[in-house]
Amino acid sequence: EAGVAQSPRYKIIEKRQSVAFWCNPISGHATLYWYQQILGQGPKLLIQFQNNGVVDDSQLPKDRFSAERLKGVDSTLKIQPAKLEDSAVYLCASSPGTPRYEQYFGPGTRLTVT
Amino acid sequence: SQQGEEDPQALSIQEGENATMNCSYKTSINNLQWYRQNSGRGLVHLILIRSNEREKHSGRLRVTLDTSKKSSSLLITASRAADTASYFCATDGITGANSKLTFGKGITLSVRP
Repeated sequence: EAGVAQSPRYKIIEKRQSVAFWCNPISGHATLYWYQQILGQGPKLLIQFQNNGVVDDSQLPKDRFSAERLKGVDSTLKIQPAKLEDSAVYLCASSPGTPRYEQYFGPGTRLTVT
Repeated sequence: SQQGEEDPQALSIQEGENATMNCSYKTSINNLQWYRQNSGRGLVHLILIRSNEREKHSGRLRVTLDTSKKSSSLLITASRAADTASYFCATDGITGANSKLTFGKGITLSVRP
């Protein structure tokens, strides 16, 4: 079974530029999550999709971050414009259902904003 | 805000020894999960324990849950160098139909060969 795929693995941008991350979840998984993990901390949930609908985006900085999950499969997370404090690893995860189940994580995208 | 708080923050042991890591949380939960993260890689799910369970085993892993004390512990027996990683507890809070995981800051485990 293929795992969660993410790209790119690394990205370096200057502040005020825009960036997009892509995630392909495990086939058949209805729920998709985007997390932000700052160095030395645990992952923080940014947004949770159930199929192609948003379930929770309470911690997503909506003035600069946006995410979509078209057709309930792949998802993209965008940051525009980026700030220095956005430097982090962005993790995508999927699960067959809600967090009542285990989550499967991708390798993450390490973003550096200079 | 981070619900789970792991203790200790860092742990260094000799290969073959047991490693015990603790997690405390503040609000009622549906389940508690432990994840491992190797350097530079994504998280891997280790074990899930539900609020009505007190203990679970998986290979060399043993997890306990005490809901009265709002705490959990992860025991790794006969540790190996490959167990070197960061370990996170994550709680699924009781917030209605739309549950979500809240992760702690993690414990850095170093196993010396």
